Amino acid sequence: DTGVSQNPRHKITKRGQNVTFRCDPISEHNRLYWYRQTLGQGPEFLTYFQNEAQLEKSRLLSDRFSAERPKGSFSTLEIQRTEQGDSAMYLCASSDAGTGWNEKLFFGSGTQLSVL
Amino acid sequence: AQKVTQAQTEISVVEKEDVTLDCVYETRDTTYYLFWYKQPPSGELVFLIRRNSFDEQNEISGRYSWNFQKSTSSFNFTITASQVVDSAVYFCALSEDGGATNKLIFGTGTLLAVQP
Repeated sequence: DTGVSQNPRHKITKRGQNVTFRCDPISEHNRLYWYRQTLGQGPEFLTYFQNEAQLEKSRLLSDRFSAERPKGSFSTLEIQRTEQGDSAMYLCASSDAGTGWNEKLFFGSGTQLSVL
Repeated sequence: AQKVTQAQTEISVVEKEDVTLDCVYETRDTTYYLFWYKQPPSGELVFLIRRNSFDEQNEISGRYSWNFQKSTSSFNFTITASQVVDSAVYFCALSEDGGATNKLIFGTGTLLAVQP
């Protein structure tokens, strides 16, 4: 069990550029979540996948944000035309739904995005 | 609206002291789940406990204990004989959809600093 892996750990970009983050969940986990955390706040739910299907998106997720999980494995989160307000820690988490363990989320260390 | 309030922003204690972290929640759901997560300086949130709304039994796990009281909508967390390794941000969270998924509403967290 290698845990949830997120890359890159840090990303600095200029306003208006596109960025993409990657998340590799624990291999047997079928649910994958993206959360966003700003300084001094708790994480906020963005979206989640059950296998390859994106089942829900928060209203926080504007049309500049898109997430994918091809083949139900790793996931990517892309932000187009970044804005300074997008600066945050983007957290990925996974869980194994359907076996009674979906209550336990396993989080990655996050990708810290800074938009200049 | 659903909400989680952690009124204590920062707490500082000396090693071996007991400390209680407060959590108050608001929900209209009759079925819901409450969680505590720990976020050490490394940034990776770690699951501590999940409690459903029908189980008001207090729980103890080693030096950790949780007090769930529906009458006051509180789910407080106590660390007995605190240690330096307990220093972290602690988040209380509420399931947004009755616990069907891990869409969680987090509080703003309590930073616990344990001094040697």
